[in-house]
Amino acid sequence: KAGVTQTPRYLIKTRGQQVTLSCSPISGHRSVSWYQQTPGQGLQFLFEYFSETQRNKGNFPGRFSGRQFSNSRSEMNVSTLELGDSALYLCASSLDGPKTYEQYFGPGTRLTVT
Amino acid sequence: SQKIEQNSEALNIQEGKTATLTCNYTNYSPAYLQWYRQDPGRGPVFLLLIRENEKEKRKERLKVTFDTTLKQSLFHITASQPADSATYLCALEDQRDYKLSFGAGTTVTVRA
Repeated sequence: KAGVTQTPRYLIKTRGQQVTLSCSPISGHRSVSWYQQTPGQGLQFLFEYFSETQRNKGNFPGRFSGRQFSNSRSEMNVSTLELGDSALYLCASSLDGPKTYEQYFGPGTRLTVT
Repeated sequence: SQKIEQNSEALNIQEGKTATLTCNYTNYSPAYLQWYRQDPGRGPVFLLLIRENEKEKRKERLKVTFDTTLKQSLFHITASQPADSATYLCALEDQRDYKLSFGAGTTVTVRA
């Protein structure tokens, strides 16, 4: 089975711009979660999607949003980028969400905001 | 406030020895706890999951214990090898909101 894929792998944006990141889960996995990882804050939960519905949300501002498509692929969007949004963005898929199953992480998208 | 604390210092050990990592939590009511391994520039990789009613879980050279009274999990790597060098993250999900929270991780370096 192919693993979780994320595109793009690297991205450089300017403050004020917006960005869309993409995640393709493992075939058959219906849950996709997104995380932000920074040296200072570690891995922080952004949101989880299951069957095209946002099932859970972390403590991030409304500039961070996401969606899931019928084929379970997911995108996350960050609008009005700030320098502090520079981070590694990871998506993870699982059969039914983090509460019962281990998560499989993608390689991440490294976002740099200048 | 909720907190997950792992060994604050990096762990340097000699090949063949046992590495022991700790994960302490505050103000969580976890149904289970997970351990992940993360190599530089890569996403975390799932290692083990232990449920609240389990005291110990093993997988090859890895052993995890979970003490809900002490609010602590211990992660052991026995007969360590240089290939075990990585950052190890503990994660737990609160039964109240089902959000998965991670500790900051402990970096383990195994010297040959």
